[in-house]
Amino acid sequence: GENVEQHPSTLSVQEGDSAVIKCTYSDSASNYFPWYKQELGKRPQLIIDIRSNVGEKKDQRIAVTLNKTAKHFSLHITETQPEDSAVYFCAAGGGADGLTFGKGTHLIIQP
Amino acid sequence: SAVISQKPSRDICQRGTSLTIQCQVDSQVTMMFWYRQQPGQSLTLIATANQGSEATYESGFVIDKFPISRPNLTFSTLTVSNMSPEDSSIYLCSVAQGAHSDTQYFGPGTRLTVL
Repeated sequence: GENVEQHPSTLSVQEGDSAVIKCTYSDSASNYFPWYKQELGKRPQLIIDIRSNVGEKKDQRIAVTLNKTAKHFSLHITETQPEDSAVYFCAAGGGADGLTFGKGTHLIIQP
Repeated sequence: SAVISQKPSRDICQRGTSLTIQCQVDSQVTMMFWYRQQPGQSLTLIATANQGSEATYESGFVIDKFPISRPNLTFSTLTVSNMSPEDSSIYLCSVAQGAHSDTQYFGPGTRLTVL
């Protein structure tokens, strides 16, 4: 089955700086890679996703890159703000399959 | 995206009992899934809830422990049977939507504590 590794487990950045979270996956059949943000006590919220036919996708301050050959994908958040503080999960899957999640990154934005 | 609700939102149960969690969607969806999130951990897929047929379970999860029903395209239930404290978790349903039918949105979750 699929295995997703996520790093780092905790990331502390100064407000206004950029944050990068990296994930690797094992199953070359996976073709869908979403990122979720989860605030304390709330459900995971989809923030951006990318499919295997695309190398990069951007939505305002958030971007995701995918390297299919190396089986890794990354989340980039620019100009970080206090409300970006949360746990971020990467996941891999595709089609009718469920998702395999990474262990999560606790992002802390220091004022 | 679809509006997803779950009942109950939380419960405290005694060891050895069972709890059924309901997931309701405001529109018909093809794919529904059940996940578990243990305290401070990531999400783990329990099973795919198939409409009109038996659920498809992931490794480590069995039907006797986690029976699932999916009577139609807007509703599913997950039962946690013969509970032990190790079953204390948040249980989340998700639905897949979008042009590729793979974009998943999560319900609010059911926080289960087993004493």
